[in-house]
Amino acid sequence: DTAVSQTPKYLVTQMGNDKSIKCEQNLGHDTMYWYKQDSKKFLKIMFSYNNKELIINETVPNRFSPKSPDKAHLNLHINSLELGDSAVYFCASSRATDTQYFGPGTRLTVL
Amino acid sequence: GNSVTQMEGPVTLSEEAFLTINCTYTATGYPSLFWYVQYPGEGLQLLLKATKADDKGSNKGFEATYRKETTSFHLEKGSVQVSDSAVYFCALSRGSNYKLTFGKGTLLTVNP
Repeated sequence: DTAVSQTPKYLVTQMGNDKSIKCEQNLGHDTMYWYKQDSKKFLKIMFSYNNKELIINETVPNRFSPKSPDKAHLNLHINSLELGDSAVYFCASSRATDTQYFGPGTRLTVL
Repeated sequence: GNSVTQMEGPVTLSEEAFLTINCTYTATGYPSLFWYVQYPGEGLQLLLKATKADDKGSNKGFEATYRKETTSFHLEKGSVQVSDSAVYFCALSRGSNYKLTFGKGTLLTVNP
């Protein structure tokens, strides 16, 4: 049983395209997150949802839009992809402010 | 704001050597402290955590003690194995602030 899953695992696309990454957790957690890991392995939070409400929105371009249809899902839609968006995107979940559990990551490559 | 500083890598050790990866933090109040590990090509896994001063987190032979007086949470293992080769991240979260603040990660390579 995969606790936090993401699809797709790899995503290769052209500049200017729009793409989505999906995340699902089966842990019964109420909080979900998106993190970005750059080429130097540095991890930074992008968004967090608690009970489907946005609670953290770091300085992320408006081209990135998270959507949480229910507490078990948090999707990330990216418009007008740019070269600098190439990174590994991790989804995570937690029960409130307790320990966060991470998904396997989605490697996005923008050509 | 909150921040985490880890020792710069990469760290290369021989099997059975002693490992220390230093981590210090800056935060107001009493943060929770974590070590996550990322094996090649995989996501992050929680390795251990400590939620209050003097707590010791331990898992898989790794240990770290929450030292408030030195604002540190150094990771140690007495005898590393080749399978411990990975990137190790120190992180903190504080109170009602939901986000994890990560250090830059330390790449550990263990040679047979």
